[in-house]
Amino acid sequence: DIQMTQSPSTLSASVGDRVTITCRASQSISSWLAWYQQNPGKAPKLLIYKASNLESGVPSRFSGSGSGTEFTLTISSLQPDDFATYYCQQYNYSPWTFGQGTKVEIK
Amino acid sequence: QVQLQESGPRLVKPSETLSLTCTVSGASISNYFWSWIRQPPGKGLEWIGYIYYSGITNYNPSLKSRVTMSLDTSKNQFSLKLSSVTAADTAVYYCARHPGSGYNFFDYWGQGTLVTVSS
Repeated sequence: DIQMTQSPSTLSASVGDRVTITCRASQSISSWLAWYQQNPGKAPKLLIYKASNLESGVPSRFSGSGSGTEFTLTISSLQPDDFATYYCQQYNYSPWTFGQGTKVEIK
Repeated sequence: QVQLQESGPRLVKPSETLSLTCTVSGASISNYFWSWIRQPPGKGLEWIGYIYYSGITNYNPSLKSRVTMSLDTSKNQFSLKLSSVTAADTAVYYCARHPGSGYNFFDYWGQGTLVTVSS
């Protein structure tokens, strides 16, 4: 299975901060990567697909980049609704696998 | 508006079979691939498998020997059965839609249902 490793596991930030989360794959997955946001007690919500494509309705402060084995999710100016846990997911090789999550906390 | 809703027993005894159904509204299950994903309490996400209306399935090898998926086009539902469960199968189970053939990420999710394995 492809292992997905996110860093950091927890991130403390303030409203207005620029935040970057990294996701590394154990082997190349081209650009077949998605990012999700999950709030407590809720289902994950798709933010980004194919590494950099913004899902419809997702605010433009979210952006994704990368290819191969290293990817980033950036929030340009953190808003109160953005304090949540973020997961990356590779879909180049079955079984599709997720990172362990990055929790964005209020500083 | 696409909506997915999981249903089924919330408590299952060890060694028995977990059975869940996902009811889809706002989209025909005949047009998409559909997956089950689970999340143990406080932990990360694990993809269980997918099904397509033609009967094509793809299961995670880690669970393949215990998983069966099926669908009912007349009810616009698809289902998951996981046999011989243990406490390690306690998790929130989500059903989710793939946005298109070959697109193996998930654009719509159910709200999730917590299934506890306990005697």
